[in-house]
Amino acid sequence: QVQLVQSGAEVKRPGASVKVSCKTSGYTFTSYYLHWVRQAPGQGLEWMGVINPSGVNTNYAQKFQGRVTMTRDTLTSTVYLELSSLRSEDTAVYYCARQALLEWDYNAFDFWGQGTLVTVSS
Amino acid sequence: DIQMTQSPSSLSASVGDRVAITCRASQTISSYLNWYQQKPGKAPKFLIYGASNLQSGVPSRFSGSGSGTDFTLTISSLQPEDFATYYCQQSYSTPYTFGQGTKLEIK
Repeated sequence: QVQLVQSGAEVKRPGASVKVSCKTSGYTFTSYYLHWVRQAPGQGLEWMGVINPSGVNTNYAQKFQGRVTMTRDTLTSTVYLELSSLRSEDTAVYYCARQALLEWDYNAFDFWGQGTLVTVSS
Repeated sequence: DIQMTQSPSSLSASVGDRVAITCRASQTISSYLNWYQQKPGKAPKFLIYGASNLQSGVPSRFSGSGSGTDFTLTISSLQPEDFATYYCQQSYSTPYTFGQGTKLEIK
C-alpha cells in the first residue's frame, strides 16, 4: 500500500533552517511528482512547490523562492523539504503529498504524509 | 496567482441533510478544480478531481459540478463522518492555490 511517512516535529529559532523528510513506499518512486503543502495553526492549506523525483526538476511558489529547496534520494525513495531563514510565520504543519496520475493532467494529491509540525520560536 | 474563494466559511447541518459548498476562482480554470476533506489533526483526504470526478473509494453521496470560475461540492445526505472542513484547490496553474476552507458542523 502507498505510504508517505514524514519525519518528526521540529523546534527552531528564528533565522535557522529546517529539513523535513518524506519517505515513500508502496509505489514506483520516480513515477509520481511530490508536492509540499503547509498549514499554519488554525489556518488553511498553502502550496509550497513540487519536485519531480525522476529528475531534478522543481517548481517553487514565488513566495518561498530563495528560501526553499526540495530534493530527493532515489535510493531511499525519500523527498526532502528545506526551508531557511525561518520566522515565526513559518510555524505550521508541513505535508508532503503525491500527485495522482489522472487524465487530462488533472493534478490532484491522492496520498498525503501525516504532517510534520515545525515550530519557530525564540 | 489565482484566488479561490469558498462560501460559506462555516455551515451547520444535520445528519441526512443535503448541503452545498461553493468555490469561486478569480479567473477561469476550466475544470481544474479539486476537493479535499480534512478532519482535525489529520491530513487532507482527496475527494474529487476535474470538478466532477469522484476519486476511487469516495462515497457516491459526494458530487462536484461546475466549470470556468464557479464550482460546487454537494453532499446529498450527510453522514456523521462527513462533519469536517472542506477545501477546494485549483490545479490550472502554479501556485496551486486552495480556498480558505468551509467548516461543516453538526447542528
